[in-house]
Amino acid sequence: QQQVKQSPQSLIVQKGGISIINCAYENTAFDYFPWYQQFPGKGPALLIAIRPDVSEKKEGRFTISFNKSAKQFSLHIMDSQPGDSATYFCAARNDYKLSFGAGTTVTVRA
Amino acid sequence: DAGITQSPRHKVTETGTPVTLRCHQTENHRYMYWYRQDPGHGLRLIHYSYGVKDTDKGEVSDGYSVSRSKTEDFLLTLESATSSQTSVYFCAISESTGSNEKLFFGSGTQLSVL
Repeated sequence: QQQVKQSPQSLIVQKGGISIINCAYENTAFDYFPWYQQFPGKGPALLIAIRPDVSEKKEGRFTISFNKSAKQFSLHIMDSQPGDSATYFCAARNDYKLSFGAGTTVTVRA
Repeated sequence: DAGITQSPRHKVTETGTPVTLRCHQTENHRYMYWYRQDPGHGLRLIHYSYGVKDTDKGEVSDGYSVSRSKTEDFLLTLESATSSQTSVYFCAISESTGSNEKLFFGSGTQLSVL
């Protein structure tokens, strides 16, 4: 019973294209929504995060869109590069604990 | 890696044996976490600690115990390892800055239970 549902499981995008990963949640007590990036053999690393009182946050080529009423949020990777090939996890925080989505493996073809 | 070290990096053990994984931090952070990562499940919280000798269960705590006798060390013990506990285990520490929070993860321990 994953508290954060993430889709798709994997995606392939051409260099320069846009990658979009979606997440949904039910628990309205969640108060912070980070995205983590993980490369093979490494631990996840924080990529970008948003609070529910903001509808969009952009950092470089990465943008989070947040829809509080729909209880959904998404990560957009603009101008995707081969170095963006990694697994991405959305997460949601409640009471100092993060619940993670199942992850999306992104492959960027050169 | 934000002063967090996990040991061992790899371990192979047999069903029924006890196993202890160690997480060491040099950051003096209050919160420490143990997660397991499995394909199709993402990262699932096993146990966490909010101070010395203060621990609590996560969503997949059955078969695991933890201890934290010092701020810098958080131990995860598999009391009697089972094949279903074959996984990659990650320790994390939490750095809070105002209303935001950042988890720093260790490099992981690949555990195989045969």
